[in-house]
Amino acid sequence: AQTVTQSQPEMSVQEAETVTLSCTYDTSESNYYLFWYKQPPSRQMILVIRQEAYKQQNATENRFSVNFQKAAKSFSLKISDSQLGDTAMYFCASSSQGGSEKLVFGKGTKLTVNP
Amino acid sequence: DTGVSQDPRHKITKRGQNVTFRCDPISEHNRLYWYRQTLGQGPEFLTYFQNEAQLEKSRLLSDRFSAERPKGSFSTLEIQRTEQGDSAMYLCASSLLTGTVAKTQYFGPGTRLLVL
Repeated sequence: AQTVTQSQPEMSVQEAETVTLSCTYDTSESNYYLFWYKQPPSRQMILVIRQEAYKQQNATENRFSVNFQKAAKSFSLKISDSQLGDTAMYFCASSSQGGSEKLVFGKGTKLTVNP
Repeated sequence: DTGVSQDPRHKITKRGQNVTFRCDPISEHNRLYWYRQTLGQGPEFLTYFQNEAQLEKSRLLSDRFSAERPKGSFSTLEIQRTEQGDSAMYLCASSLLTGTVAKTQYFGPGTRLLVL
């Protein structure tokens, strides 16, 4: 069974600064994916970034990047140059490759970007 | 390309009533997932379809819950004899399976259910 843990219920950051959200996971799968999803207030969940576990290179998407530490089972999200629109719940999730590929989510981190 | 849509967006019902939710996935997506999200928690997997076949159901899904995807396009999730504990956001997601790897899941806006 897969589990995902987000230990920071809430975080805040000043506009234009950098913030890192933490995530640890546990899985017995050899092939799996890791994701960060963003859920703005009263809006739908959207994918921020995705990492294939077999790839050693950390994924990046514009201002968003991850620090994937496979041995430590850690998958943190770094947001650079934070913007007010980054205010949202952020969920870390994992899925196994093959089979249902259902997502297993953490409890989320509420990020507030302050002006 | 329209995204995943869900209807209704909000539903208030009395305990014991039946409710049905609809999800329209992104066209050509062959996989469709249902998740449930309660306040302060991340979404939890309920069930998923590949085309019209329901391939997996979570143990969270009691006998009062049933889901269908009759023609491999839209899906419905029905809850019979609702209970207050069913109050939650019900999320639908879809993805495209090509080969053995499913692509990213795209989520709909959700249906928020309140059982009084």
